[in-house]
Amino acid sequence: DIKMTQFPSTLSASVGDRVTITCRASQSVSNCLAWYQQKSGKAPNLLIYEASTLETGVPSRFSGSGSGTEFTLTISSLQPDDFATYYCHQCRSYPYTFGQGTKLEIK
Amino acid sequence: EVQLVESGGTLVQPGGSLRLSCAASGFIFTSYLMTWVRQAPGKGLEWVANVNQRGTEKHYVDSVKGRFIISRDNAKNSLYLQMSGLRADDSAVYYCARDWGTEGMDVWGKGTTVTVSS
Repeated sequence: DIKMTQFPSTLSASVGDRVTITCRASQSVSNCLAWYQQKSGKAPNLLIYEASTLETGVPSRFSGSGSGTEFTLTISSLQPDDFATYYCHQCRSYPYTFGQGTKLEIK
Repeated sequence: EVQLVESGGTLVQPGGSLRLSCAASGFIFTSYLMTWVRQAPGKGLEWVANVNQRGTEKHYVDSVKGRFIISRDNAKNSLYLQMSGLRADDSAVYYCARDWGTEGMDVWGKGTTVTVSS
């Protein structure tokens, strides 16, 4: 199975900050990588797919990059609504797998 | 409105069985892969299983192989997860999701809670 490792596990930041979350795959997933945002008690929400394509309706302050084994999710200027947990997910090889999550907290 | 609504979650004893359902509406159900994802209390997301558009190809995470069966009824716009041999570590919120494959899971239900306990 492909193991997805995110870091950091927790990130403290302030409104207006630029933040980056990294996701590393134990083997290449090509560009079959998505990012999801999840708020407490809610279903996940798709942000980015194919590593760098912004889902319709997602604010442009979110961006994704990478291919192969190393990926990043960047939020260019944090807004209050962005404090949540973020997960990467690979769809290259079964069984599909998620990273363990990165909790973005208010500093 | 595009919508997924899960049902069937409840308290069940270890070793028991349960069938989860996911009713789809507002889109052409037969055009999409469908996926189950679960989340144990206080834990991260875990991909559980998916099924292709015709219901002929199914994939599972190793921990549920031989115990869970994913299926779909395209005439009823419904997705199912038949769960047997339930264990305490199967306790989770179970989400169904519309799956574009490489383009991600863009529509999710609100989830249904399964608790396995004596």
